[in-house]
Parts: sequence; structure tokens; C-alpha cells
Amino acid sequence: NAGVTQTPKFRVLKTGQSMTLLCAQDMNHEYMYWYRQDPGMGLRLIHYSVGEGTTAKGEVPDGYNVSRLKKQNFLLGLESAAPSQTSVYFCASSRGTENTGELFFGEGSRLTVL
Amino acid sequence: KQEVTQIPAALSVPEGENLVLNCSFTDSAIYNLQWFRQDPGKGLTSLLLIQSSQREQTSGRLNASLDKSSGRSTLYIAASQPGDSATYLCAVIRTGTASKLTFGTGTRLQVTL
Repeated sequence: NAGVTQTPKFRVLKTGQSMTLLCAQDMNHEYMYWYRQDPGMGLRLIHYSVGEGTTAKGEVPDGYNVSRLKKQNFLLGLESAAPSQTSVYFCASSRGTENTGELFFGEGSRLTVL
Repeated sequence: KQEVTQIPAALSVPEGENLVLNCSFTDSAIYNLQWFRQDPGKGLTSLLLIQSSQREQTSGRLNASLDKSSGRSTLYIAASQPGDSATYLCAVIRTGTASKLTFGTGTRLQVTL
């Protein structure tokens, strides 16, 4: 009963390094999202996807790229990490607005950029 | 731009007390509203989802209400328990926005023995 799985759960990077966060869901959901959570800021949408092969920008997309090559996976990439990208990243999925739109979240990935 | 506010930011109550958490939003054109629970260092767990055509939803000791016209939702927790201690977040989905949620910053609840 996995639901939404994120890897890795923790990562420390140096400024300028690159990395990819992987999100996998086993619920056959069409929509997937990447959020970041920062103290006092709440959760903010980075990028989202409404289906395999599609991606779109959210509220804070700068410095991030995403890909949705397979329906069950949504990758978030940082090409050149900056200290401002230190955050907890959450992936979520939903069936889409034709249903209830209810979102299901992963456990989070804590990223520190030194 | 949709703004979601949750007041208070933190709340401490003794075990057994009934309590209400508040959520307000500025744009009434919402598709649905969702309440989540987040434990420290963990992800978000969906508690209740209210669709725009509904007035309330109940699950066990939890009851969530929605008043779109006034831009408000409340989460009522009956007979609180120490295990209810967590941060509670509300989020709204605006109509026609591909399920993109706008979150409040949450209410941190502490239920004491």
C-alpha cells in the first residue's frame, strides 16, 4: 500500500551541484505535483503535470525542472543548487478535477544546500 | 490571487476539550477545500475534503464545514486527545486550475494531558 513514494528522503548539496528528486505513485493518478514547504511560507507549488508527457509551471518554478516520462513518475531536478533551495519538498498526486481532486502526499524530501 | 489564512497559528488545549480550527480564503470560486494533518517531519495526511456543493463532511471525531459565500471553513475536533497534536492545514482548489491547491500556513495544535 505504497501510495506516493519520494526518494531520497534526505540530501545535502553544495552550491552549484545538481540533483534529481524522484516521485512515484501507484494509484494510477493523472495529476502530479511538486511543492516546497518553508517555515512561515506554507506549501508553494513548484511544477505540476496533468498527464504523462506534460508539465506546467506553478507558483515558484525558477531554478527547477521537471519531467513526466511515465505516468507513475514525476521527477524534480535542480541543475545548479542554491542555498535558497534549502527546503522540504513534497510530491503529491490526484486523479484530477473530474473526480474530487483530493490530493495524496508523499513523506517529503529534506534538502539542504550549503 | 487566492489567499488562505488560518487563525490561530498555535493552540494548546487540555485533553477532552472540543475545539475549532478556522480557515478563511479570499476567492470564493473554489472547487473544493481540503483539510490535512501534518506530524513533525512527516508528510501531509488528508483528513476531510469538502466539495464546493457541500456544506460539511464528517469523519469520526472530525467535522469540517464550508461557507463559500463568507470564505470560511472550520474544522471541529470533538473530545481532543494527545494523539491529535499536530499541525492542521487547510487548502483550497480554485475552479478550473488543475487541482492546484493554495495552502494556509497551518494551526499547530497541542493537546495536553
